[in-house]
Amino acid sequence: DAMVIQNPRYQVTQFGKPVTLSCSQTLNHNVMYWYQQKSSQAPKLLFHYYDKDFNNEADTPDNFQSRRPNTSFCFLDIRSPGLGDAAMYLCATSEGLAGSYEQYFGPGTRLTVT
Amino acid sequence: SQELEQSPQSLIVQEGKNLTINCTSSKTLYGLYWYKQKYGEGLIFLMMLQKGGEEKSHEKITAKLDEKKQQSSLHITASQPSHAGIYLCGAAPNTGNQFYFGTGTSLTVIP
Repeated sequence: DAMVIQNPRYQVTQFGKPVTLSCSQTLNHNVMYWYQQKSSQAPKLLFHYYDKDFNNEADTPDNFQSRRPNTSFCFLDIRSPGLGDAAMYLCATSEGLAGSYEQYFGPGTRLTVT
Repeated sequence: SQELEQSPQSLIVQEGKNLTINCTSSKTLYGLYWYKQKYGEGLIFLMMLQKGGEEKSHEKITAKLDEKKQQSSLHITASQPSHAGIYLCGAAPNTGNQFYFGTGTSLTVIP
């Protein structure tokens, strides 16, 4: 049974055209994360929500925003995608903060910017 | 920021051989995690280590965390093609919300 679902799996957008990636979870976890993974690199944390509290990593560009309307859903909005934003975007959830709890990852959304 | 260096960067082994992947931190770790990633897919949790000197095993994979909690190793015994993928260590430097992944090790197992 899918626990962390990401839609779509593949997304193509045009340079500068806003795009939204979706993540949902059936685990009822408190924390939801968004990571960016570029080719041949490790995933890099963009931000996370602990319940409704939003936590942005210091070096996450302003171009990236997130929304969590309820426990189950979390969205990643890229306001004006550039070619450098092409990457795999991974959503993860955990019961508590990452230092003490394992994260469950979705399959990822591969974003292409044309 | 937390830096996690993994070695080797890539590994090609014959099926049945043992192998070890290392993860070294510049700072004391609060929790050390090992994940596996198949190409183009999400990450699969393998093991979590929190105590200095801790060792855990699952099937043919054993992970250890040193006493100082700055270095971890992942050992695979009698490797199989199903073990192929990218292995990532990840860690939180404290009880807070930051989490970092290591540089990754790409494993190929030749039948």
